[in-house]
Amino acid sequence: DAKTTQPNSMESNEEEPVHLPCNHSTISGTDYIHWYRQLPSQGPEYVIHGLTSNVNNRMASLAIAEDRKSSTLILHRATLRDAAVYYCILRDHSGSARQLTFGSGTQLTVLP
Amino acid sequence: NAGVTQTPKFQVLKTGQSMTLQCAQDMNHEYMSWYRQDPGMGLRLIHYSVGAGITDQGEVPNGYNVSRSTTEDFPLRLLSAAPSQTSVYFCASRTDSRLGYTFGSGTRLTVV
Repeated sequence: DAKTTQPNSMESNEEEPVHLPCNHSTISGTDYIHWYRQLPSQGPEYVIHGLTSNVNNRMASLAIAEDRKSSTLILHRATLRDAAVYYCILRDHSGSARQLTFGSGTQLTVLP
Repeated sequence: NAGVTQTPKFQVLKTGQSMTLQCAQDMNHEYMSWYRQDPGMGLRLIHYSVGAGITDQGEVPNGYNVSRSTTEDFPLRLLSAAPSQTSVYFCASRTDSRLGYTFGSGTRLTVV
């Protein structure tokens, strides 16, 4: 799987938007961009994924650069419950046995 | 739906002991995986299965065995526990390759 680069940590104020960046300059054409988050003392939780177009769901939005070498996870109004480690992961959906390869992620701190 | 259930939640073993970590899912998911997470690190893949009767090794398989006799269950066996296996273990499952994984809440294992 191609490598991703994320900042080690970010801070945000409560009720403000948060933009979490991810660089993946070696992404292949069949790699989907997945985001997971891990709250303290819990297992990872699926957030969102996309291939080329921007994606929205009830948890977040995913903005993908036109050249697909970077993406941004957007939390529209951060809450204290959004404090977690956020992982950006590339996964090739064409390989049925492909599993997730986790990096070290971004630790998001939400300030009240 | 209970999702992915892991038992036990906590376990202390002595060096050389063996044990089995249980993982069960009630979502009829074909794909199941075991990960370990050491302090301050991302998750690393131990073993995975693409269906009943089919298993394969991940990134860090040494010291662990798995089997998949049913779709629902994917136990992880530690053959002879070592302090280096002190970690938090997560089980995950998914169905369609285009969808996200569901993770269990983890088993915190300490080997003394």
